[in-house]
Amino acid sequence: ELKVEQNPLFLSMQEGKNYTIYCNYSTTSDRLYWYRQDPGKSLESLFVLLSNGAVKQEGRLMASLDTKARLSTLHITAAVHDLSATYFCAVDINYNTDKLIFGTGTRLQVFP
Amino acid sequence: SQTIHQWPATLVQPVGSPLSLECTVEGTSNPNLYWYRQAAGRGLQLLFYSIGIDQISSEVPQNLSASRPQDRQFILSSKKLLLSDSGFYLCAWSTSGGANTDTQYFGPGTRLTVL
Repeated sequence: ELKVEQNPLFLSMQEGKNYTIYCNYSTTSDRLYWYRQDPGKSLESLFVLLSNGAVKQEGRLMASLDTKARLSTLHITAAVHDLSATYFCAVDINYNTDKLIFGTGTRLQVFP
Repeated sequence: SQTIHQWPATLVQPVGSPLSLECTVEGTSNPNLYWYRQAAGRGLQLLFYSIGIDQISSEVPQNLSASRPQDRQFILSSKKLLLSDSGFYLCAWSTSGGANTDTQYFGPGTRLTVL
């Protein structure tokens, strides 16, 4: 069974600290996406990772992809309260239909 | 630019009543379209996807059906709602074609409560 697992599921961190969210998947794919969801809202695309070794950065967030290890990471640098949200990774398992399998989500809470 | 609409935004329905949720995309042609459901505090479950008019694939056996009567219109329906159908329903689109590496773009969602 295809699985996309994130850890941790819940992360409470202090402003200014660094942390990494991990996304492991169980099938072959070199297309992985990260999304952000604010409470009660829809999903917003953050990063598109399309090859082994891909690294993308936007502000305090940096995402990377290791297709051989079937692992993606989302690194948070010097967290601020505005980053509080739920973060999902998603793996593309059919390039013709762009069918995505989503991870379990990581709920991030940043406190002062 | 492309825009995706969903309506209604919120819906409260009694058990056993029918359902129709609509999703439309503007600014693109022949998109791939998707319906997801998100239960409270949970991840996203892919319900249906479509690569063209009247081409619908169902992912999970359930009380729901989908139709795509027009290129940029995707409808989620049920004849009789169950309590377990409650959730946040999200429509998404992506550019069609195997070489496409674009992300999926999500609509604002419909929050459905079945009582």
